[in-house]
Amino acid sequence: EDQVTQSPEALRLQEGESSSLNCSYTVSGLRGLFWYRQDPGKGPEFLFTLYSAGEEKEKERLKATITKKESFLHITAPKPEDSATYLCAVQGVRNTGTASKLTFGTGTRLQVTL
Amino acid sequence: DTGVSQDPRHKITKRGQNVTFRCDPISEHNRLYWYRQTLGQGPEFLTYFQNEAQLEKSRLLSDRFSAERPKGSFSTLEIQRTEQGDSAMYLCASSSEYDRAENTEAFFGQGTRLTVV
Repeated sequence: EDQVTQSPEALRLQEGESSSLNCSYTVSGLRGLFWYRQDPGKGPEFLFTLYSAGEEKEKERLKATITKKESFLHITAPKPEDSATYLCAVQGVRNTGTASKLTFGTGTRLQVTL
Repeated sequence: DTGVSQDPRHKITKRGQNVTFRCDPISEHNRLYWYRQTLGQGPEFLTYFQNEAQLEKSRLLSDRFSAERPKGSFSTLEIQRTEQGDSAMYLCASSSEYDRAENTEAFFGQGTRLTVV
């Protein structure tokens, strides 16, 4: 069974204070690891896909990295508008060779204050 | 295409009533997922389809829940005899799952918020 654990559960940063969110995972044959942002009352918004260890993706103040067991979402000089819940999900490969379902972690609630 | 569309956005129902939700995926996507999310939790898998075939259903899913995807287009999720514990956000997502490994990310709709009173 695929598993995802995210830490910390909640994180409070001051504007400009950089930090990292952690996603530890176990999956049978990684097809992809996904990061999403979710605002209250809305559906998750896709941020990044990572396919293999060593890969990195960047978008504005966010950078996602991955090893064989963990992924990190690095937030550089965050702003209040970066406040949201950040979700990590993994997708493995079924025994038929097709992609499996997405398995999500419980998320990290990020609050960025002035 | 404006993305994944879910209807209704909000539903309040009395315990014991049946409810049905609709999801229209991104048109070229062949895979469609249903998830449930409660406050402070990540999305919990319910079921998914590839084209019209239902490939997997959560073992936690009660037989009061049923989903269909006729002709591999839109999908419906029905909950029969609703209970207060069914109150949650129901999320639909779609993705393009062909043989190539890239571009498999799932895009979510805005969800249907169900409240059972």
